[in-house]
Amino acid sequence: DTEVTQTPKHLVMGMTNKKSLKCEQHMGHRAMYWYKQKAKKPPELMFVYSYEKLSINESVPSRFSPECPNSSLLNLHLHALQPEDSALYLCASSIRDRGSRGANVLTFGAGSRLTVL
Amino acid sequence: RKEVEQDPGPFNVPEGATVAFNCTYSNSASQSFFWYRQDCRKEPKLLMSVYSSGNEDGRFTAQLNRASQYISLLIRDSKLSDSATYLCVVNRGSGNQFYFGTGTSLTVIP
Repeated sequence: DTEVTQTPKHLVMGMTNKKSLKCEQHMGHRAMYWYKQKAKKPPELMFVYSYEKLSINESVPSRFSPECPNSSLLNLHLHALQPEDSALYLCASSIRDRGSRGANVLTFGAGSRLTVL
Repeated sequence: RKEVEQDPGPFNVPEGATVAFNCTYSNSASQSFFWYRQDCRKEPKLLMSVYSSGNEDGRFTAQLNRASQYISLLIRDSKLSDSATYLCVVNRGSGNQFYFGTGTSLTVIP
């Protein structure tokens, strides 16, 4: 079982819909991430929150809106998406891994598979 | 030049074979290195962190060569269950910017 929980697992939405993806972790991690992954491609970074503040936005279109209500939760609000936004959306979290000589290790959730019609 | 480069494969090997993947990184300031495994339609999962001294976990051995800026993953006695995509991931330090290779696809054939 993954320690990062994402809901929903699958989402189908029309281009005029508004929906949200949710992510939760209770590992005490202070950095949380959204990645987008298309088939046969590596994950592509969208946003990073560090200590509940947005620290990285990789020039993501405004139809994707992240929100970090507290240190355990991360949301991704979706509005007016395009069919090409269909992908697997992965949430991840990280903290310095004391067992790995100070390395900061990413832990991923199982992902939300989004289809935009 | 990409931050992290990997041979995408695919690698098709028979059961019991030894297979090695390499990955190069462009920024000499990179500090942390990882191999992740991703099964089809699943999330990436940490396989191993890679240490300067090299490290081994059962049939898996990871090596780091800072001078040449590459990391490697060796899988001995391949099993059917090793079939997956292996992602090389590099972090520049304590920061939150992780760089992914394109992934190498491995299929172990009976």
